[in-house]
Amino acid sequence: DTGVSQDPRHKITKRGQNVTFRCDPISEHNRLYWYRQTLGQGPEFLTYFQNEAQLEKSRLLSDRFSAERPKGSFSTLEIQRTEQGDSAMYLCASSTLGLAGGHNEQFFGPGTRLTVL
Amino acid sequence: KNEVEQSPQNLTAQEGEFITINCSYSVGISALHWLQQHPGGGIVSLFMLSSGKKKHGRLIATINIQEKHSSLHITASHPRDSAVYICAVQQQAWGSNYQLIWGAGTKLIIKP
Repeated sequence: DTGVSQDPRHKITKRGQNVTFRCDPISEHNRLYWYRQTLGQGPEFLTYFQNEAQLEKSRLLSDRFSAERPKGSFSTLEIQRTEQGDSAMYLCASSTLGLAGGHNEQFFGPGTRLTVL
Repeated sequence: KNEVEQSPQNLTAQEGEFITINCSYSVGISALHWLQQHPGGGIVSLFMLSSGKKKHGRLIATINIQEKHSSLHITASHPRDSAVYICAVQQQAWGSNYQLIWGAGTKLIIKP
């Protein structure tokens, strides 16, 4: 399968613990995006990378959140000192680079569902 | 007022019916996406369009840039089309200041 993969698919943790999620994009895709989706809501943009560079972060991405894409391939999203409000589906997507630096169609992974107890 | 509005919020139809889901937006955009989300969370990109019309199988997406409106049509609907359909617009800024603004979604149920 050459789609976007995410690991783990589900994570249950206790409040205050740190968690890390991984996203493996489609191999030739330069762009990688992280979104968060809470129940009954549409996805919210968190951050995106072009190759290894993190080009934009949403205000939603508090200091407890950090994302990396060290070699321009897979990415990790870490949440420190988790809170119950962090419970959500964390979605990763990847795309090729659009014309003149624009954004192309995104291909989504299955998501990681986080539950913070 | 939300920048991306979808209607209807919920739609139940019989198998075989022609389905239309609407999306209106209030910002300048460079592209509009239609996505499908099944129970369990998986999101699939259906269309990305910036003008005119695109067709893929039984799905048709149209956009009117002047009216800031897009529609997603499903012909000969089938129970497997049951999902949440989401409209998302890409603001008219290249490179940085990226924002994909998402609609709330339309929950579609097709009854056999």
